[in-house]
Amino acid sequence: GNSVTQMEGPVTLSEEAFLTINCTYTATGYPSLFWYVQYPGEGLQLLLKATKADDKGSNKGFEATYRKETTSFHLEKGSVQVSDSAVYFCALRRLTGNQFYFGTGTSLTVIP
Amino acid sequence: DTGVSQNPRHKITKRGQNVTFRCDPISEHNRLYWYRQTLGQGPEFLTYFQNEAQLEKSRLLSDRFSAERPKGSFSTLEIQRTEQGDSAMYLCASNRLAGEVNEQFFGPGTRLTVL
Repeated sequence: GNSVTQMEGPVTLSEEAFLTINCTYTATGYPSLFWYVQYPGEGLQLLLKATKADDKGSNKGFEATYRKETTSFHLEKGSVQVSDSAVYFCALRRLTGNQFYFGTGTSLTVIP
Repeated sequence: DTGVSQNPRHKITKRGQNVTFRCDPISEHNRLYWYRQTLGQGPEFLTYFQNEAQLEKSRLLSDRFSAERPKGSFSTLEIQRTEQGDSAMYLCASNRLAGEVNEQFFGPGTRLTVL
């Protein structure tokens, strides 16, 4: 079947620290992979995506690389800011169909 | 572009009552999705529409749940005889049929509390 396993939170970091949120997936075929972010009181927003192996998605200083060999799509940022405090969801879209499968979310709090 | 809107934002109801939620997608989007999100979990797919046709339903969508998109624009999700286990955030998302993989745009959600 299709599923996403995400690093459990909550994660608390100091401003300018390095961030990694782990995400691994199980899927038939080669899915597309996404990171969504949910800021307090707001809806889910796409942060970045990758559609094939070795693709790197990037946005707002965040990066994630589609690793087929390890079935992973870890999210990284070199220097987090207080404004990055949010819940981050890893998701996959299977090759056929339109259903997205989401991880459980990782809550990030960045303190000044 | 006003984004995906959902109404109401919050709904409190008593067990056994029926509730209906509305989703208005982004105007040019012909695909519309419903998800359910419980506390501490990611969104779980319920169903999706392409135009007015309901093309896929999850096993999570019990007989008490029904969704419609009569004119291929807004959609409604109805829950009959609500149970406490139905308490959750109900999310709507939309996108366009396209040859490339594209994101789903999410609304703010309707939070349902069943007492």
